[in-house]
Amino acid sequence: SQKIEQNSEALNIQEGKTATLTCNYTNYSPAYLQWYRQDPGRGPVFLLLIRENEKEKRKERLKVTFDTTLKQSLFHITASQPADSATYLCALLNAGNMLTFGGGTRLMVKP
Amino acid sequence: EADIYQTPRYLVIGTGKKITLECSQTMGHDKMYWYQQDPGMELHLIHYSYGVNSTEKGDLSSESTVSRIRTEHFPLTLESARPSHTSQYLCASSDPRLRSNEKLFFGSGTQLSVL
Repeated sequence: SQKIEQNSEALNIQEGKTATLTCNYTNYSPAYLQWYRQDPGRGPVFLLLIRENEKEKRKERLKVTFDTTLKQSLFHITASQPADSATYLCALLNAGNMLTFGGGTRLMVKP
Repeated sequence: EADIYQTPRYLVIGTGKKITLECSQTMGHDKMYWYQQDPGMELHLIHYSYGVNSTEKGDLSSESTVSRIRTEHFPLTLESARPSHTSQYLCASSDPRLRSNEKLFFGSGTQLSVL
């Protein structure tokens, strides 16, 4: 069956450090992968999309990598700030062509 | 800023009541979705629509129903609410013309509590 796995344990880091979040998937052949941010009690907000033929994508302090051989995407936030504290979700199109989300990883950036 | 709105933001009701959760978007998107999310858990797709008069069930079975009479409006209805329906309901939309860049825009959600 298709599965998207993100570390369910919260990631705690110090302000200014780089946060790295992992998204692993099985039984998907994604044309692209998306990352979203979700704050408590709110809907997810789209951050970045990376296509299967792209190794890396950057947007300001965000960087996403996509390794279709390892079936993994890494999401990096450099120079992290307390305002970056949130849950980060990765998402892929499933066999029915619908966007399916991982369980998300909660990031806590401490001042 | 996403132009997709959900009302009410919070709803506390008694068992057996009929409720309708409203979702409207002003972006002219054809595709709309309803996701259900319990605290700290994954989003599960419960309904989606490709456009007017189109409604489909999602991956997660739900006792709710939806309708799509107008492009901008995608309400979700529970005929008889039960405590097991307590959850957060998130509405989203996307522009299918952007197949290679189809991102979802979410509303702020409705937190439903059934007593």
